[in-house]
Amino acid sequence: AQSVTQLDSQVPVFEEAPVELRCNYSSSVSVYLFWYVQYPNQGLQLLLKYLSGSTLVKGINGFEAEFNKSQTSFHLRKPSVHISDTAEYFCAVRGEPNDYKLSFGAGTTVTVRA
Amino acid sequence: GAGVSQSPSNKVTEKGKDVELRCDPISGHTALYWYRQSLGQGLEFLIYFQGNSAPDKSGLPSDRFSAERTGGSVSTLTIQRTQQEDSAVYLCASSLSSGALYNEQFFGPGTRLTVL
Repeated sequence: AQSVTQLDSQVPVFEEAPVELRCNYSSSVSVYLFWYVQYPNQGLQLLLKYLSGSTLVKGINGFEAEFNKSQTSFHLRKPSVHISDTAEYFCAVRGEPNDYKLSFGAGTTVTVRA
Repeated sequence: GAGVSQSPSNKVTEKGKDVELRCDPISGHTALYWYRQSLGQGLEFLIYFQGNSAPDKSGLPSDRFSAERTGGSVSTLTIQRTQQEDSAVYLCASSLSSGALYNEQFFGPGTRLTVL
């Protein structure tokens, strides 16, 4: 079984500042890792995913994440945030190859202020 | 094309009543998932359908919860004798399949259920 811990429940940040959202996972098998974003009153949208290959993954809206197997982490970063990045962010894990369930973290609420 | 749709978007009900939540997956998607998002918690897997196979119901929290998928498309999640702890956002997702190759799960906007 897999589990995900998001270390920060709330992250306030000023516009144009960098942001990092921390995610650690536990799993006994190789995993697929994901970051989803949920804007107010909307469904989840995939930001980026790690399946294999390069450990630095680039996603939409300028976000990127780095898979670190030794630290079992998959932290999300953006060098300069916008007001429109205000949302809730979820880290998720899925065990490969035949697991289909996503296990989600509790979420991190990012609030960007001018 | 159209994404995953869910109805109603909001549902307020009284404790003890039954509710039905509907999910219309993306056309052609054979896999369908239900998740529950409770306040302050992450998303919790509830149930999974793949084609005509028997559903994986391992995430359903009690026997008051059930789901069906008719004709391999639309799904209905039913909660009988609702309790206040059932209050949550219920999210539906669909994907092309769940197999060994990765297929992205596309999520609907959710149904916010409030049990008074």
